[in-house]
Amino acid sequence: KAGVTQTPRYLIKTRGQQVTLSCSPISGHRSVSWYQQTPGQGLQFLFEYFSETQRNKGNFPGRFSGRQFSNSRSEMNVSTLELGDSALYLCASSLESGRARGEQFFGPGTRLTVL
Amino acid sequence: QKEVEQNSGPLSVPEGAIASLNCTYSDRGSQSFFWYRQYSGKSPELIMFIYSNGDKEDGRFTAQLNKASQYVSLLIRDSQPSDSATYLCACTTGYSSASKIIFGSGTRLSIRP
Repeated sequence: KAGVTQTPRYLIKTRGQQVTLSCSPISGHRSVSWYQQTPGQGLQFLFEYFSETQRNKGNFPGRFSGRQFSNSRSEMNVSTLELGDSALYLCASSLESGRARGEQFFGPGTRLTVL
Repeated sequence: QKEVEQNSGPLSVPEGAIASLNCTYSDRGSQSFFWYRQYSGKSPELIMFIYSNGDKEDGRFTAQLNKASQYVSLLIRDSQPSDSATYLCACTTGYSSASKIIFGSGTRLSIRP
C-alpha cells in the first residue's frame, strides 16, 4: 500500500506571497491532519479534515486554511507569507474512527522557506 | 503548563542498556497515547500506542500508562545505535471525535556504542 505523499517537497517563497501544499493520504484513510514543525516550537497541530469537513483546528491565524476533496486528498494554503512561516509542513492520515485516529501515518513533508 | 511534557534530552544510553523515556500530560480526559520516532531529517513514524493502564510490549519496546498519575513512558530494551532518534509522545485530548491530537516537544535519544 502506498504511503502518504506530499507535494512539493521543497518550496522557496518571498514574504507576502501565498502557497498551496498538497497531500494524498493512504488509500482508505479519510482523516487528514496537517502539522507545522519548527526547531523552536516542535510539532504544532494546524487542522484536521474528515469527509471534506474541517473537524478540528489548532491555534493558527486565519492565513492558514485547508480543504479536503471527495477522494480524501487535502490541500493547505498559507496566504500573505511571513518569515516565521518557514517550517516543515507535515501531513498525516489515519482511519477515521475512535482511538485509531491517533495512529497517524506521516508524509515526507514540505520544506517551506520564506525569504 | 504545556499539555504534553517531555524532557528534551539529549538522553545518552550505552548500547545494550534500557532506555527509558517519560511523558506527562495535563488533560485527565485523555484516552489514547502514542509514541512516535523521528530520525533527523525524516518525518515521525508511529512505533507504539496504548489505551489502557498498564504495560504493552512489542518486541524491544514497552509502553507504560498510568492514568492516575497522568504519566506515559516508553522503554527500549537492548538499545541499538539505530534507536538514536527523537521520540515524540502524543495523546488525544477530550472524548469526542473532534478531540485534538497533541504532541510533546520530543526527547532526543542517543545510543553510544
